[in-house]
Amino acid sequence: AQKVTQAQTEISVVEKEDVTLDCVYETRDTTYYLFWYKQPPSGELVFLIRRNSFDEQNEISGRYSWNFQKSTSSFNFTITASQVVDSAVYFCALSEAGTNAGKSTFGDGTTLTVKP
Amino acid sequence: DAGVIQSPRHEVTEMGQEVTLRCKPISGHDYLFWYRQTMMRGLELLIYFNNNVPIDDSGMPEDRFSAKMPNASFSTLKIQPSEPRDSAVYFCASSPGLTQGDTQYFGPGTRLTVL
Repeated sequence: AQKVTQAQTEISVVEKEDVTLDCVYETRDTTYYLFWYKQPPSGELVFLIRRNSFDEQNEISGRYSWNFQKSTSSFNFTITASQVVDSAVYFCALSEAGTNAGKSTFGDGTTLTVKP
Repeated sequence: DAGVIQSPRHEVTEMGQEVTLRCKPISGHDYLFWYRQTMMRGLELLIYFNNNVPIDDSGMPEDRFSAKMPNASFSTLKIQPSEPRDSAVYFCASSPGLTQGDTQYFGPGTRLTVL
């Protein structure tokens, strides 16, 4: 069965600090996708990134970077030089290509608060 | 594309009333999902469709909840009769499926309050 664990329930940092959000997943499939979504205070769920299981390259997009390590079943998300606008709930999700194809399992989310 | 469209954005109703939430997925997406989000239970998958056919409704909490997808561009989630514990934000999402990476795109949500 697929499972996503975001052990950090809440994180609080001061603006300009770097912060890493952890995501650990479990799956028996060899082909799967990993995602990060952002849910700002306004409530919408915004897609940030998708990674497939065959691509372990780290990715950087501006102040955001993602570290995918199959050896530790982790897909961590780092925000560099955090800003107040980064305050949101961040969800990690997993989608398998097998029996549950099409269905994603979400973690419980990490609430990030960036203080000025 | 306009993205996933949900209506209404807010709904306030009284216990016992029927509530219908509506969703228009992104054109060309084969999958449609209904989620419920509450503080206590987080984000829960209620049901999802593939090519208008319900695939997994194991997350539907009770018989009071029903969902339909009569065509590729429209889905409804109905609660009858509604109860205060149904108060939540209901999200609809659509996905192109595995061939295009399985990313789910969410609508803005419907905030339901049952008094």
